[in-house]
Amino acid sequence: GAGVSQSPRYKVAKRGQDVALRCDPISGHVSLFWYQQALGQGPEFLTYFQNEAQLDKSGLPSDRFFAERPEGSVSTLKIQRTQQEDSAVYLCASRPDRGRPSEQFFGPGTRLTVL
Amino acid sequence: KQEVTQIPAALSVPEGENLVLNCSFTDSAIYNLQWFRQDPGKGLTSLLLIQSSQREQTSGRLNASLDKSSGRSTLYIAASQPGDSATYLCAVRGAYSGAGSYQLTFGKGTKLSVIP
Repeated sequence: GAGVSQSPRYKVAKRGQDVALRCDPISGHVSLFWYQQALGQGPEFLTYFQNEAQLDKSGLPSDRFFAERPEGSVSTLKIQRTQQEDSAVYLCASRPDRGRPSEQFFGPGTRLTVL
Repeated sequence: KQEVTQIPAALSVPEGENLVLNCSFTDSAIYNLQWFRQDPGKGLTSLLLIQSSQREQTSGRLNASLDKSSGRSTLYIAASQPGDSATYLCAVRGAYSGAGSYQLTFGKGTKLSVIP
């Protein structure tokens, strides 16, 4: 497709369940970012990949959060033992070239609700 | 730690008015600043990106300015339309190299309502 896609668009999980959120970046984009957006807040950085390498995971809130991008394209954000405070919209963004001052292009997000 | 503030949090204007949205940031060492639009239930749409060396960028009815030394940016929307109703987010990318330099730091946004 032409843009960043994410699936599922909506996810409801019971507290304690594991979830996996998928991001398909724009084809050929080198950089990939995950952000978490709580209700009424701006997005907050979680983690950053350059191709398959995870260069920055400083924003991951706990060791229950894990992200991977094994082949440098599709990325998965996994949350283990979900808790109510994990409820948020998870946004994925990609950027074509780390050396250029280019824009980040965002997907529609996955809205996670933990009951 | 960079902090981004957007004022006002919400704004309601009649159709046709010109308006200004404000963004301020605490650390002036930025690489660029980006304005986004977010519609309910949707992702972010990039509107304008200003490099740290630039003063302004224009796209159609939108004009964004940047005063890096004072840590401020404004988004000017001319002749507002009901279709402009959305949340507008400002984000900065830090100038430092290394881990953390590629991420964007966002404000909480300004929710704009344009009344027909």
